[in-house]
Amino acid sequence: EAAVTQSPRNKVTVTGGNVTLSCRQTNSHNYMYWYRQDTGHGLRLIHYSYGAGNLQIGDVPDGYKATRTTQEDFFLLLELASPSQTSLYFCASSEDWGNYAEQFFGPGTRLTVL
Amino acid sequence: GDSVTQTEGQVTVSESKSLIINCTYSATSIGYPNLFWYVRYPGEGLQLLLKVITAGQKGSSRGFEATYNKEATSFHLQKASVQESDSAVYYCALSDNTNTGKLTFGDGTVLTVKP
Repeated sequence: EAAVTQSPRNKVTVTGGNVTLSCRQTNSHNYMYWYRQDTGHGLRLIHYSYGAGNLQIGDVPDGYKATRTTQEDFFLLLELASPSQTSLYFCASSEDWGNYAEQFFGPGTRLTVL
Repeated sequence: GDSVTQTEGQVTVSESKSLIINCTYSATSIGYPNLFWYVRYPGEGLQLLLKVITAGQKGSSRGFEATYNKEATSFHLQKASVQESDSAVYYCALSDNTNTGKLTFGDGTVLTVKP
């Protein structure tokens, strides 16, 4: 069974704060993704990665950096957090980058920026 | 760009009744997209419910069905008899043919099944 974990599960910070969200997958998947979901809206892709050291820009990258340190670990960095980044963040992994590869999601991190 | 529309933000159905959650899509890439339904139970991450990669085909899982209708650009989710345990958020999604693995999601539909 695929396993994707995220930490922390909840985070509160202030405007201008520095936040790191962590994601680890134990599926030996090459592909990992960071999404944000705002209330009443679908998930939107922030960044994704094809492997350790690789980073690809998603659809809503502004204000976010990401780093893939190993095959297992993918981090999302908010260096100057703003209230507009208050959201629910999901990490996902997939075995392949093919069009119909299933993505496996973590439980999400709820971030509040005051 | 691509888009997915789910018209119902919330749906409430009594147990054992039938369900339909509407999904339509617009894809700009050449060829037909691949279509998915994901579900998120409380406190958990999204998980794949079903997928269909060939236009005209039907996917099914856990009593849910969805048919890929390329003429109507629709992929509605149906179930003949819902259970209370089906209460969750359902997301329709598509991936295009650019081989990036990127998914475009609808806004989600919150399903509440009343006992």
